[in-house]
Amino acid sequence: SQELEQSPQSLIVQEGKNLTINCTSSKTLYGLYWYKQKYGEGLIFLMMLQKGGEEKSHEKITAKLDEKKQQSSLHITASQPSHAGIYLCGAVAANNAGNMLTFGGGTRLMVKP
Amino acid sequence: GAGVSQSPRYKVAKRGQDVALRCDPISGHVSLFWYQQALGQGPEFLTYFQNEAQLDKSGLPSDRFFAERPEGSVSTLKIQRTQQEDSAVYLCASSLRTGRILNTEAFFGQGTRLTVV
Repeated sequence: SQELEQSPQSLIVQEGKNLTINCTSSKTLYGLYWYKQKYGEGLIFLMMLQKGGEEKSHEKITAKLDEKKQQSSLHITASQPSHAGIYLCGAVAANNAGNMLTFGGGTRLMVKP
Repeated sequence: GAGVSQSPRYKVAKRGQDVALRCDPISGHVSLFWYQQALGQGPEFLTYFQNEAQLDKSGLPSDRFFAERPEGSVSTLKIQRTQQEDSAVYLCASSLRTGRILNTEAFFGQGTRLTVV
């Protein structure tokens, strides 16, 4: 089965600093999703990447997909307290029946004002 | 509704009690997924429906877990004789299409936090 490893597991940064979260897959990536989750809440969709080299941005968050390395990175520029939460990467595990997402363990981000 | 709706938001059950968790997907969404998220972990796949057909239930941890989607819209996840290790957030997601390459994002509900005491 596909496994996703996220690093770091947790991160504390000072407001205004940049940060990067990585997600590495054990198998070929058919699609890579980034979600944000606040404690006790559901997942909020951030971005989906499908093609190698693809890069997408939403406000101050940029995600890239390196298909060869089977890796994606999420970069936050000039972090703010509102960025705090758990960031989860999910990859499509293509099979005959459907397209369930396999998730990494998450990266817990805290932004100190 | 505009998004995926789950109810109840919180559920406390005594060990041995049966519980039923409801998911209202986005209207017209073909695919529906249930995930279990233990504290401090990423979500783990439980089961998948394409319309009313349960095509994959490989993630259900035991035969105490049962899911249905009889009319291809609302889904219910039932847990019989709950145990403490069932305590988790149960997330439901729906998606517009299926197919080998998922090219639309899956929308998640806010989850049901189940605590078994």
